[in-house]
Amino acid sequence: EVQLVESGGGLVRPGGSLRLSCAASGFSLSASEMNWVRQAPGKGLEWISYISSDDTVYYIDSVKGRFTISRDNAKNSLYLEMNSLRAEDTATYYCARDGFDVLTAYSFHAFDVWGQGTTVTVSS
Amino acid sequence: DIQMTQSPSSLSASVGDRVTITCRASQAIYNSLAWYQQTPGKAPKLLVYAASRLRSGVPSRFSGSGSGTDYTLTITSLQPEDFATYYCQQYYTMPPLTFGGGTKVEIK
Repeated sequence: EVQLVESGGGLVRPGGSLRLSCAASGFSLSASEMNWVRQAPGKGLEWISYISSDDTVYYIDSVKGRFTISRDNAKNSLYLEMNSLRAEDTATYYCARDGFDVLTAYSFHAFDVWGQGTTVTVSS
Repeated sequence: DIQMTQSPSSLSASVGDRVTITCRASQAIYNSLAWYQQTPGKAPKLLVYAASRLRSGVPSRFSGSGSGTDYTLTITSLQPEDFATYYCQQYYTMPPLTFGGGTKVEIK
């Protein structure tokens, strides 16, 4: 079964750091393009970061310079290192895989597999 | 950045109703659009990609259409399990990938 499981969320003070993990099973992370998406309490979805199979990375402006996306192919895991955390970073964080249509070999930057989410609360 | 505007932000409907949700992009996105369904406390689920391609396993009462800047998700004959929040997302350009604000479909 294709699955993503996030961990590492918790309560952290403003200015603090946290490292989120996303363990993949049922597929190879090394061959996949992966993302982090977050959702503040009661709010909509916000894409925050992407990593390609050749380790090209992108970030939304609000986290650039503070967050770092990475992967460990040997552990089949994705990570999000978050530094200088702010109250506005409070959210549920999801890892998500880029989509791929097997029949047509069409790949696309929308998300066909999601983890269950891990909650980050930034508060003093 | 491409802005995605969804309407309505919420709607009330009954089981069996036909429901239409609209998403407008701030520039043409050439069918690079996906639709998701999210129920409370759960991760979103991909329903439609490339504006009109139904993901395998998604019921055929869901359909997507549109072109240019304007796109629509239609649910024919709303079922109890369809009461949820729906989001559109453009993937024509990145970064950033952007979502619409969501449409909450509630029971009338």
